[in-house]
Amino acid sequence: GQNIDQPTEMTATEGAIVQINCTYQTSGFNGLFWYQQHAGEAPTFLSYNVLDGLEEKGRFSSFLSRSKGYSYLLLKELQMKDSASYLCAVTPLTGDYKLSFGAGTTVTVRA
Amino acid sequence: DTAVSQTPKYLVTQMGNDKSIKCEQNLGHDTMYWYKQDSKKFLKIMFSYNNKELIINETVPNRFSPKSPDKAHLNLHINSLELGDSAVYFCASSQEADYNEQFFGPGTRLTVL
Repeated sequence: GQNIDQPTEMTATEGAIVQINCTYQTSGFNGLFWYQQHAGEAPTFLSYNVLDGLEEKGRFSSFLSRSKGYSYLLLKELQMKDSASYLCAVTPLTGDYKLSFGAGTTVTVRA
Repeated sequence: DTAVSQTPKYLVTQMGNDKSIKCEQNLGHDTMYWYKQDSKKFLKIMFSYNNKELIINETVPNRFSPKSPDKAHLNLHINSLELGDSAVYFCASSQEADYNEQFFGPGTRLTVL
C-alpha cells in the first residue's frame, strides 16, 4: 500500500515563504508530484520530481530525497492567490499506473 | 477549448436512483481516470482506462460502472445511489498510462439526499 503524510494546515503572511513537507512510504517509487487545488476547483499540476534534488519553477520549488522518502514544496513571495490546498502524490513503479495522493495541506495566506 | 470537461457540474438526487456522469478530453491522451474526493478532501483513484481498456479498478462497490466508448470519453454510471456516495467526482487524463502528469476536469459535485 501507499502511505503519504503531509501537514493538514499551514498559515503564512503575504510575501513570506512557506515550506510544505511530504513523507511517503510506498511499495515502489517512480516519481513524486505536487498539485495545487483551489477551493471548489480541480487540482492543477505544479511540479514533478523523480531524481534527488531541487526543481525550481518561478516562485515554486520542489525538493526530493528518495533515500529519505521525503519531499517539500517551497512557496516564495507568497501572494493571496496562493491560498489553496497542496497535494503531494506518488507514482509507483512503472506498470502499476496509480497516482496515490496525500490528504493535502491547506495553506492560508494572510495580509 | 476546454481540455477535460465533465457534465453535469452539480448533481442532486435521491437515494436509490441511478445517475451518470460524463467526461470528455480533447488532449489526445490515451489514459483517463475517475477520482472521488470526499468531504475531507482526500482524492482517491477509482478507475483508469488506457485506450478503452480498464487498467485500474480500485476497491469500489460494483454499483459504480465506468464505460469508455472511445479513448476521448470515460463515463461513470452509478446504480442505487447511497448517502455515502455524496462527494466530488473528478475525471482526469494523462498522455500515457505510465506518464502521470494528469489533467483534471472541473469536477462533478454529487449530493445524495
